[in-house]
Amino acid sequence: GQNIDQPTEMTATEGAIVQINCTYQTSGFNGLFWYQQHAGEAPTFLSYNVLDGLEEKGRFSSFLSRSKGYSYLLLKELQMKDSASYLCAPKSGGSYIPTFGRGTSLIVHP
Amino acid sequence: DGGITQSPKYLFRKEGQNVTLSCEQNLNHDAMYWYRQDPGQGLRLIYYSQIVNDFQKGDIAEGYSVSREKKESFPLTVTSAQKNPTAFYLCASSIGAARGRGDTQYFGPGTRLTVL
Repeated sequence: GQNIDQPTEMTATEGAIVQINCTYQTSGFNGLFWYQQHAGEAPTFLSYNVLDGLEEKGRFSSFLSRSKGYSYLLLKELQMKDSASYLCAPKSGGSYIPTFGRGTSLIVHP
Repeated sequence: DGGITQSPKYLFRKEGQNVTLSCEQNLNHDAMYWYRQDPGQGLRLIYYSQIVNDFQKGDIAEGYSVSREKKESFPLTVTSAQKNPTAFYLCASSIGAARGRGDTQYFGPGTRLTVL
């Protein structure tokens, strides 16, 4: 099985930077996804990491350390529309289906 | 436009009735999935299908059934045996493990089922 730990809720100010952490324990490791989910809507794909290091994509970056079982999502220049839940989803070795964490609810205020 | 559709967006049923949720995709994806989401919970896998005419149970398959007669369609039936059926149901598809980097899942808009 997998054990995924993310903070339940975070708050930040518009224009700021926020880092959402995720730690996981998997039997083997085969990549990690981050998804964004606005309330009542479907999750949308943000990033996929399979190797250690930082992957940058516009205002969003995702970092992975396989040896530490750790990933984070970095959001820069926060906008009100970034208020959403952010789901960390690692894949265990031998599986192509990720397991989703409970998500971190990010609230961006003016 | 390619995408995944689910219908209806909201569904109400009486306790004891079976109900079927629709999921269609025109992305030419091989793999399709059904998840359930409850407040404060992560997505939990109900069933998945890697190819037409084949499907596998996920973590919480009890009380649910599926079929995969066509590549584009993966309907989910919530049966009366499902003890707590009220939830947000999400369908997803992916290119397929054999073909895609990371095999990213793309989600439909979801169906919110309420059993009265």
